[in-house]
Amino acid sequence: GAGVSQSPSNKVTEKGKDVELRCDPISGHTALYWYRQRLGQGLEFLIYFQGNSAPDKSGLPSDRFSAERTGESVSTLTIQRTQQEDSAVYLCASRPRAGSGDNEQFFGPGTRLTVL
Amino acid sequence: ILNVEQSPQSLHVQEGDSTNFTCSFPSSNFYALHWYRWETAKSPEALFVMTLNGDEKKKGRISATLNTKEGYSYLYIKGSQPEDSATYLCACFYNQGGKLIFGQGTELSVKP
Repeated sequence: GAGVSQSPSNKVTEKGKDVELRCDPISGHTALYWYRQRLGQGLEFLIYFQGNSAPDKSGLPSDRFSAERTGESVSTLTIQRTQQEDSAVYLCASRPRAGSGDNEQFFGPGTRLTVL
Repeated sequence: ILNVEQSPQSLHVQEGDSTNFTCSFPSSNFYALHWYRWETAKSPEALFVMTLNGDEKKKGRISATLNTKEGYSYLYIKGSQPEDSATYLCACFYNQGGKLIFGQGTELSVKP
């Protein structure tokens, strides 16, 4: 079946512009995660959605970052007034059942964001 | 703050060498450990999910062990091949949260 998809695959923007990244999780997956990997660094957790519960936003680096998810479907990650340090690969992942740690995460192909 | 640590940060081996790397994690409230393999320009893919102390899992030439009491897991690759070159990520799930805590990864490079 279809995996996690993300769009766009690449995004180049100018400093100060807003960008919106999209994630389509696997159908039926209740949990959705956003991560990023900046050059030379590890995978950094950003935000986690679990069904209709309030999202865990503890990883968002600043108030310029926000994310939404409609029900158990598409999620968008918005970065306002982008800065050069926002340049990274942004990964989305979904999981079959929230709250159960023995389910693997399925990752999308990522969006490579470059802020000039 | 929960901290998952992986070592070494990077590893360069010759084709045919066997290798292993370590994931260390806090054992309190531990629930599950995941290993992912992340090849360049691809998405991370799950290798193993382990929950029980003493668990051993194997997939082809790759195997992993888990010690939940002392808080570590080993990933072994027997007879490394160039296609094994990737970053190997370890992540832990704890009872008090719904998210995986990822380590920084071990970058493996296998030269032919």
